[in-house]
Amino acid sequence: GAVVSQHPSRVICKSGTSVKIECRSLDFQATTMFWYRQFPKQSLMLMATSNEGSKATYEQGVEKDKFLINHASLTLSTLTVTSAHPEDSSFYICSARGVNYGYTFGSGTRLTVV
Amino acid sequence: AQSVTQPDIHITVSEGASLELRCNYSYGATPYLFWYVQSPGQGLQLLLKYFSGDTLVQGIKGFEAEFKRSQSSFNLRKPSVHWSDAAEYFCAVGPTDKLIFGTGTRLQVFP
Repeated sequence: GAVVSQHPSRVICKSGTSVKIECRSLDFQATTMFWYRQFPKQSLMLMATSNEGSKATYEQGVEKDKFLINHASLTLSTLTVTSAHPEDSSFYICSARGVNYGYTFGSGTRLTVV
Repeated sequence: AQSVTQPDIHITVSEGASLELRCNYSYGATPYLFWYVQSPGQGLQLLLKYFSGDTLVQGIKGFEAEFKRSQSSFNLRKPSVHWSDAAEYFCAVGPTDKLIFGTGTRLQVFP
């Protein structure tokens, strides 16, 4: 079956630094990848959609300059949280979709900014 | 506006009891409907999905869901709950390019 690997699973960083999260489709080509943010005990909020080789499309209210998304290949997308602050602490989940594949989710990344 | 409502925030059942998790949606066109399960600190696992055809959909782990267009509902059911089913359950509706999630229902299972 389709597998999406997301790394790291947990990261703690200092306020003001940047953090990169990787999302890889292991056994299929992901034409589209999605990045979600999930606050404790809440649902998933779509942050942005990225198509391979194109600029990401951000949802309303999501800061493009803070959450940099790169989808340079059909198997890899990255989310970089720039100049992170404590309010950016959250659970980030990626999802990948390819031809003949539905939405497959990564295992998530718990980001804590101290 | 497109939306998904899961009226029950938290449900507690005894092991072996039946389960029904409710999901109502608002969507302009024919919806694609999904149920996902999330264990603590984990990503989401697809339980089942409905695109078209038979309105009763069978999924993994003994779950099923029924699409009722007249009620705009897609409720998830399981005849006998196991302790390992304790988790957060999300209903989602989508077009082909993105999913809209409900707020989730936390299932607690007592032995």
